[in-house]
Amino acid sequence: EVQVVESGGGLVQPGRSVRLSCLFSGFIFNNYGMHWVRQGPGKGLEWVASISWNSGSIDYATSVKGRFTISRDSAKNSLYLQMNSLRVEDTALYYCVKDKAAVPGYGLDVWGQGTTVTVSS
Amino acid sequence: AIQMTQSPSSLSASVGDRVTITCRASQGIGNDLGWYQQKPGKAPKLLIYAAFSLQTGVPSRFSGSGSGTDFTLTISSLQPEDFATYYCLQDYNYPYTFGQGTKLEIK
Repeated sequence: EVQVVESGGGLVQPGRSVRLSCLFSGFIFNNYGMHWVRQGPGKGLEWVASISWNSGSIDYATSVKGRFTISRDSAKNSLYLQMNSLRVEDTALYYCVKDKAAVPGYGLDVWGQGTTVTVSS
Repeated sequence: AIQMTQSPSSLSASVGDRVTITCRASQGIGNDLGWYQQKPGKAPKLLIYAAFSLQTGVPSRFSGSGSGTDFTLTISSLQPEDFATYYCLQDYNYPYTFGQGTKLEIK
């Protein structure tokens, strides 16, 4: 059974940093690209960042480029999002998400339960 | 970035109705489009991938069609558990972009 455990969210002041983590199990983590998707309070879904199976390809939404860093540790079956220079508008529920297939373009089939980041003074 | 225009933004329907939601991409994306269902307080769930492929475990009343720029999600006969918010997502290139969402409510 595929399982995902997210952690690391909380209340953080503007300009500060926080690191989100996701631990995956039940599939071969090294085979799949991973993503972070967020959802602001009462808002729609926003794709944030992605990382390929071997970390060779990384992409970011314009809104977070230069402030957020996505990474993965295959030995720990874990995905991370380092969030620096946080802004009030980064307040959201953050989901870690798995590519359905070994190549992009086939959907995102496993979603974490979400971890909340609230940026406020 | 590719813009995804989803319509309608909200929809009232009754159990048993046939419902259609559309997404239009600002440029061609081949078949690289998925549909997701989100219920309150829950993570999104993949329903359709690659425009028309049904995700394992998803009821056959859900179907997807389209290619290029115009895509459709159809629910053939609404069930009580289908009332939720639906999103399209283009995974053709980065940055991936979602539609604005369609809230499907009970009439």
